[in-house]
Amino acid sequence: KAGVTQTPRYLIKTRGQQVTLSCSPISGHRSVSWYQQTPGQGLQFLFEYFSETQRNKGNFPGRFSGRQFSNSRSEMNVSTLELGDSALYLCASSLATGGLNTGELFFGEGSRLTVL
Amino acid sequence: AQTVTQSQPEMSVQEAETVTLSCTYDTSESDYYLFWYKQPPSRQMILVIRQEAYKQQNATENRFSVNFQKAAKSFSLKISDSQLGDAAMYFCAYTPWGGSQGNLIFGKGTKLSVKP
Repeated sequence: KAGVTQTPRYLIKTRGQQVTLSCSPISGHRSVSWYQQTPGQGLQFLFEYFSETQRNKGNFPGRFSGRQFSNSRSEMNVSTLELGDSALYLCASSLATGGLNTGELFFGEGSRLTVL
Repeated sequence: AQTVTQSQPEMSVQEAETVTLSCTYDTSESDYYLFWYKQPPSRQMILVIRQEAYKQQNATENRFSVNFQKAAKSFSLKISDSQLGDAAMYFCAYTPWGGSQGNLIFGKGTKLSVKP
């Protein structure tokens, strides 16, 4: 069974540009969450999608957005990039059956974004 | 606000020895889940162990066990017979029961080194 796949693995952008990151969850997983990981702030929750609907959002500005497609694949977008957006962006999927939160997330290897 | 604190940024252990990683959390909820996740240098994070707050018995997974002290809001991870492959970042995480599947609150992590 394939794991969570994130693309691209590495990318470099300049301030003001925008970026789109992609995440393919484990087959059958309907929930996809995104996290930002930095040395200073650690892991911070960005948002979660379930059945194409955003059902939870972290404390990030509106420049950070996402969506989920009918096949559960998800994308996140960051517009007007700032230096502080440099981070490892992690995607995680879970079964999320029946709404019961068991908390087990399956993570991808991440997309390393560098903003110059 | 719910918070998770890991007070040991770095730890070191000799191969075959035992090490304990500390974690404290703050919540007003009575039902919740606690986790330890491991992030090896390759960056893909995996679940090590999970504890349901309503269970008094401490969770165990092979060489990994926890000491869950609900009243003290403490959740430490003990690794027995440490192996070189245990070297990684370890994150303690919390989520309330019935909460959003993908929204975990993480501590800042503890970097564990294993000496041969």
